[in-house]
Amino acid sequence: QKEVEQNSGPLSVPEGAIASLNCTYSDRGSQSFFWYRQYSGKSPELIMFIYSNGDKEDGRFTAQLNKASQYVSLLIRDSQPSDSATYLCAVRPTGGFKTIFGAGTRLFVKA
Amino acid sequence: GAVVSQHPSRVICKSGTSVKIECRSLDFQATTMFWYRQFPKQSLMLMATSNEGSKATYEQGVEKDKFLINHASLTLSTLTVTSAHPEDSSFYICSASLGSGGEDTQYFGPGTRLTVL
Repeated sequence: QKEVEQNSGPLSVPEGAIASLNCTYSDRGSQSFFWYRQYSGKSPELIMFIYSNGDKEDGRFTAQLNKASQYVSLLIRDSQPSDSATYLCAVRPTGGFKTIFGAGTRLFVKA
Repeated sequence: GAVVSQHPSRVICKSGTSVKIECRSLDFQATTMFWYRQFPKQSLMLMATSNEGSKATYEQGVEKDKFLINHASLTLSTLTVTSAHPEDSSFYICSASLGSGGEDTQYFGPGTRLTVL
């Protein structure tokens, strides 16, 4: 079982819709969770981090964490074509200093 | 957010030469820096983790004598690809974090695209 799992996609949504990206992780004691966006040919850029159960909102982005179910999700409201990218879920396991990255989900937002 | 720079952004070299890539944290002191490699349409692959003033910790399968890492200060880490070959052509990305544990976030540099002819 991979430590951090994401559906590779591609996930295709129309412009203006809500894009929902999901991620599951194996280390139940993980404390820190991150979402990165990576455009083709570029390096990842941090979108959000979340540490506590529940929702965390930042502009059009909402991160949701459910530690009991070991999943973290990212919602993108009012999706724009410029949101088309690969989204990486990252988890810092218990007591670790390395962040474990998922393989990423490719998102396409159709104009 | 924190800013991490990399230099050069792109390098083309002949097979057998060595290439040095620099990674700098511009507005914070990075206790830990990470080096990744990414092949086209594939996920990030962690190569090694370096802490200032100590030897790098390499991931399984990464040749430490081929990929030399030096983390000489809290703002600078270098990766040297020695005797590069065409199969080393890839996108090399560094990241830096403030601390060695807890809730520290990794911030990525813009990456270096290496092409070995």
